[in-house]
Amino acid sequence: DSGVTQTPKHLITATGQRVTLRCSPRSGDLSVYWYQQSLDQGLQFLIQYYNGEERAKGNILERFSAQQFPDLHSELNLSSLELGDSALYFCASSKGGTYGYTFGSGTRLTVV
Amino acid sequence: GENVEQHPSTLSVQEGDSAVIKCTYSDSASNYFPWYKQELGKRPQLIIDIRSNVGEKKDQRIAVTLNKTAKHFSLHITETQPEDSAVYFCADYKLSFGAGTTVTVRA
Repeated sequence: DSGVTQTPKHLITATGQRVTLRCSPRSGDLSVYWYQQSLDQGLQFLIQYYNGEERAKGNILERFSAQQFPDLHSELNLSSLELGDSALYFCASSKGGTYGYTFGSGTRLTVV
Repeated sequence: GENVEQHPSTLSVQEGDSAVIKCTYSDSASNYFPWYKQELGKRPQLIIDIRSNVGEKKDQRIAVTLNKTAKHFSLHITETQPEDSAVYFCADYKLSFGAGTTVTVRA
């Protein structure tokens, strides 16, 4: 167990629908990163939050949004889902700065 | 990621041989370089990292070297074993990842 908790582990939904992925960082970690990993692809950075505020944005689609709450957990919202959104979504957390980042086990999203 | 380039994309080695993966970075401010190992369907796991104030770091069969002047860093795996087969990712301090290297260790 890495200490980073992602729920749900698996999610199957239809095109056009909206889903919410949840991430609870390790205790004491202030920074949360979200990544998308499609089949046989690398880790595409989506967005980073630090202590509740958006810190950096990557290749995140307008249909996707995220937030980090006061208790530091984060949610990634994916709307108007398309078949191509099927992927593993990982979050990672760190204390911030130059510290090792730890990944959660991911949420496997399948859009049918 | 565009800030970090990783080569090769695939690497096949005989068990017992060494494997070397190289990454280059563009951000001069980068001062931390982690390496992650990802087995199929699992989460990436940090295996070793290096900060910019040192040139080399070792952990058993794994070592990382850093050349700040040339802006590149490398992962070295010695005496490879079948369980080393995985995808390896390098990253910079902003956690921009390289494209990954699929390492296959042949028994």
